[in-house]
Amino acid sequence: GAGVSQSPRYKVTKRGQDVALRCDPISGHVSLYWYRQALGQGPEFLTYFNYEAQQDKSGLPNDRFSAERPEGSISTLTIQRTEQRDSAMYRCASSPYSSGNTIYFGEGSWLTVV
Amino acid sequence: QKEVEQNSGPLSVPEGAIASLNCTYSDRVSQSFFWYRQYSGKSPELIMSIYSNGDKEDGRFTAQLNKASQYVSLLIRDSQPSDSATYLCAVFPPGKLIFGQGTELSVKP
Repeated sequence: GAGVSQSPRYKVTKRGQDVALRCDPISGHVSLYWYRQALGQGPEFLTYFNYEAQQDKSGLPNDRFSAERPEGSISTLTIQRTEQRDSAMYRCASSPYSSGNTIYFGEGSWLTVV
Repeated sequence: QKEVEQNSGPLSVPEGAIASLNCTYSDRVSQSFFWYRQYSGKSPELIMSIYSNGDKEDGRFTAQLNKASQYVSLLIRDSQPSDSATYLCAVFPPGKLIFGQGTELSVKP
C-alpha cells in the first residue's frame, strides 16, 4: 500500500477484554515498529521486528503485551486483560531498512479501555 | 534522566521570526538524529535528519548537531502559521528510535 495502514482506527473495549491491533506496513519495508503515545507525550518504543524476527521487545510494559509478525509483513499487537492504563494511541511504523533509522508512521489505533 | 529531553513549551513566535527548538540526549553511542513534526491529531512525519556534527540546511529548516555536548537543535527561519505543530526530537542508539516528549510551537500571525 501507499502508507502504513493500521486497524482498527478506534477501539473501545471493556476492562479485562483482550484486544488485537493490526499493522500493515509499506510494501517491501523490512522493519516494523510499535510505539505507544499518550496525549502530550512523544512516542514510546514498545517493540520492533526485522522481517519476522522480533529484535527488541524491551519496551513492552508487561507480559500482557505481545506482538508478532509471522510472515514478515503484517503485524499484530495483542493486549490481554486490558486495563484502563492501557488507554492510548498505538502507532505502528515501518522502515525500508533492517533496523532502519528512517521510519514512517501509520495513523495509529486509538484504544480506550472503559 | 530521560534519554531524550526537550522543553515541552509551548514556544510562541511571531510570523516571520526564527523558531529555535532544542534537544539533549543521554546515550553517547547515538549516531543518527531526527526531527519529526506532528500536527494535532496526526501522526509524526520526518522533516530532518542529521548524522554529523555541524549544520544541515533544508529550505527554511536547519538542524544542528553537537555530539560532544549531546545536543541537537532545529531552527525554522521565516516561521509561518502552518509551522504550528509539535516538534519531536528522536535519536537512534541504534536499533530503535527514541523520542523526546516534543516541543509545541505556535506561530502567531
